[in-house]
This record gives sequence, structure tokens and C-alpha cells, in this order.
Amino acid sequence: QSALTQPPSASGSPGQSVTISCTGSNSDVGSYDYVSWYQQHPGKVPRLIIYEVHKRPSGVPDRFSGFKSGNTASLTVSVLQTEDEADYYCSSYAGSNNLIFGGGTKLTVL
Amino acid sequence: QITLKESGPTLVEPTQTLTLTCTFSGFSLYSNSVAVGWFRQSPGGALEWLALIFWTGAKRYSPSLKDRVSIATDTSRERVVLTLTNLDPVDTATYYCAHRGIPYYYDGAGRNLFFDYWGPGVLVSVSS
Repeated sequence: QSALTQPPSASGSPGQSVTISCTGSNSDVGSYDYVSWYQQHPGKVPRLIIYEVHKRPSGVPDRFSGFKSGNTASLTVSVLQTEDEADYYCSSYAGSNNLIFGGGTKLTVL
Repeated sequence: QITLKESGPTLVEPTQTLTLTCTFSGFSLYSNSVAVGWFRQSPGGALEWLALIFWTGAKRYSPSLKDRVSIATDTSRERVVLTLTNLDPVDTATYYCAHRGIPYYYDGAGRNLFFDYWGPGVLVSVSS
């Protein structure tokens, strides 16, 4: 199963919004509402920020939102803050008992 | 409070077998819907799922590694052990274990996989 496709980088200024895409296929993202997103600061552990496409764990600001259309999921970070600068990874169930990740997107807050 | 911690060797020679242990607390692998997964991340690289074990004892493996990887619990089900055979330098990575988040709706097929608590990771280098 191929990895999910994410842009290597994204950027925005404080206060702006940025959207990161995660493109899969009709075997994974397109077939299941089991997409999650993780935030990882340099040298730190991954942190779950979105699960089941759009749900936020407690403690995650509502500036983070998730969406899915067809084979592409997306993560939007609204009202960017400097602490949002991190790597972001999407993940999806891919059928046949398989879980796949995207290659990650480095978000820079200008 | 859920915590997990990985332990094991930090340097392994090529062709050898790696055994890592995930010691956790704050949850039970006997409880419905609970699972523990193993992941890795090569230096500067992306996250990669390796293996998963459910409260039922069912196991799942990444198709790309399934001939080399195995997962098991100790007899008390308080630790989860990952074994990776025939190591190569490309297996150099930080290895993490993580607790599967519990879905609101029962997921009998085990497809709703998200991980809400992670261990700090252990960096394993494969080199002679």
C-alpha cells in the first residue's frame, strides 16, 4: 500500500489560515472515515490532533479542523500561532488490516 | 493517567534481531477496544506503522515488514514486545509504542485506528 501524499511544506503568517492536504485513494481515505492527523514538534513525540476525519481530542484548540472529500483529507489550522510551527502527518486505515501515513508536511509560521 | 515507555538496545549490528519492550500504565490490555501499536520514524523521515495488538490478542502487521516483525504481550499483559529480525542500517529509527484511542462507537473490525498516547521513543541505530 502506498503512503498518503502530503505537500512537503506549507506556510502562513500569524493570524492567517493554512490548509494541508492528504491525498490517498479509494482503497484508503476514500473508503473509510478513519483519517487522523498528528502534530510533531522537532525532537518531540507525535500528538494526536484530529481523528475520525474531523474530531478533536480534548485539549486540542478548535483552530484545528479536519475535512474529507473523496480521496483527499485536509487539515486546516486557523488563526496561525507561532507554536503551530511543526510537522504534520495524516494517517488512514487502508483496508486489509493496514494503517498508512503520509510523508509529512512541515508547517512554517512566517 | 496513561503512560508508555519503550526500552531496548540503542545499537544493534546488521542481521541481528531487535527486541523492544513497551511498558505501560493507566490502562489494561484486558479492556474492551484497547490496543497498543508500534511505530518508527527514521531520522528526518515520516512516521511508519509497524504492528498492533488488540485486547483480544489479535495481531496486525505492516505488509512491508510482516515477514520480519512480530508483536506479543508478556504473560501479565502489562508489556508489549516488538521483535524485528534481520536488521539492516535502513532500520535505524526512533521506535515508538502508542495507546490506541478508544472509538466512541464499537469498532469490532478494528479499523478505527488513532493513537492518543505515545511513549517518548527509543533511538535504535543499526551499524557494525
